[in-house]
Amino acid sequence: AQTVTQSQPEMSVQEAETVTLSCTYDTSESDYYLFWYKQPPSRQMILVIRQEAYKQQNATENRFSVNFQKAAKSFSLKISDSQLGDAAMYFCAYRVIQGAQKLVFGQGTRLTINP
Amino acid sequence: GAVVSQHPSWVICKSGTSVKIECRSLDFQATTMFWYRQFPKQSLMLMATSNEGSKATYEQGVEKDKFLINHASLTLSTLTVTSAHPEDSSFYICSARVSYGYTFGSGTRLTVV
Repeated sequence: AQTVTQSQPEMSVQEAETVTLSCTYDTSESDYYLFWYKQPPSRQMILVIRQEAYKQQNATENRFSVNFQKAAKSFSLKISDSQLGDAAMYFCAYRVIQGAQKLVFGQGTRLTINP
Repeated sequence: GAVVSQHPSWVICKSGTSVKIECRSLDFQATTMFWYRQFPKQSLMLMATSNEGSKATYEQGVEKDKFLINHASLTLSTLTVTSAHPEDSSFYICSARVSYGYTFGSGTRLTVV
């Protein structure tokens, strides 16, 4: 079974600094998607970034970028120039391309931004 | 972007009663809807997957008779918590697959007293 592990329950960073959130996953599939979702205090789930496993190039969305290491099954999220609005729970998630469409979520990392 | 409207946002009910939660896809057709449960400070736990016009597929350990899911149209999926008890108190979230990933409802906080 596929599993997603986020080993950092909590992280904190100074405003304007850079922080990296870790995620590892376990799968025997070769084609899959990886996601980072953000859940602010409102509890609305917001897509931060998506990576297709067949793409070697790391995905980037403005201040958010990933370090995707397929062989190591690692998918970390880097947030640059952290802003107060980045404070949230961050969930790493996995989905196979074929078959079941369901997302498998990690345990989450609570990110605090210190002003 | 694709929006899923989830209602109610919060509900308090008495033990033994039933509560219905609705998720509507506003600007797209959701052939598949996923229902999650989230306990405080925990991750999302998938309860079931519903496909329009067919029976829902429940995850292991989820009581299908307690959590009734109906997906009668491409724009509406409902979760009914039957004979609710305090242990059913939780945050429930629906989600639909879209081209770029998944879109989520805003969630329903259920409190059973």
